[in-house]
Amino acid sequence: AQSVAQPEDQVNVAEGNPLTVKCTYSVSGNPYLFWYVQYPNRGLQFLLKYITGDNLVKGSYGFEAEFNKSQTSFHLKKPSALVSDSALYFCAVRDGRTGFQKLVFGTGTRLLVSP
Amino acid sequence: DTEVTQTPKHLVMGMTNKKSLKCEQHMGHRAMYWYKQKAKKPPELMFVYSYEKLSINESVPSRFSPECPNSSLLNLHLHALQPEDSALYLCASRDYRGRAFFGQGTRLTVV
Repeated sequence: AQSVAQPEDQVNVAEGNPLTVKCTYSVSGNPYLFWYVQYPNRGLQFLLKYITGDNLVKGSYGFEAEFNKSQTSFHLKKPSALVSDSALYFCAVRDGRTGFQKLVFGTGTRLLVSP
Repeated sequence: DTEVTQTPKHLVMGMTNKKSLKCEQHMGHRAMYWYKQKAKKPPELMFVYSYEKLSINESVPSRFSPECPNSSLLNLHLHALQPEDSALYLCASRDYRGRAFFGQGTRLTVV
């Protein structure tokens, strides 16, 4: 089964410091991986995706993610955190068993950036 | 236009009521989704429509009835819901690159 795991319920970081939100995946075949962000009482917003190509993927709002096949990880990173980055972050994988129609989400990580 | 619009934003309904949630997108996406999200939990897939045909039903109870009248519209008809069905209902559409675009959701409360 295709799945992603987010081992941290919450990540705390001071504004201006680098941040990392962790995600590991389990898929059969090539992984289609995504990061989404959700602000309170809002829908999810697409940040970035990995399908093939460079292991470092750049996305919206200065975020990037590093695909590591040997560690089956797809960690989300940002060099300098902003208070406005505080939100709920979901890692997701597209399920090849359903023709890639189904997007399976991790449990989410709450990011808190303190001033 | 890169928006998925959901109406209403909030809905309170009794257990005997019939109501509908509406979702609209004008991005030309041919795959549309309904997700249910409980507080502090990830979205859970309910239904997938592909080219206006239901392609995935995640064993959702029949009190939830989806409908896709055309390629831009997706409805979710609700009838005889239970209090545990209270949640944020999210609609999404998917582009050819596999990116999903989500609406802001409908916050549903069943009383």
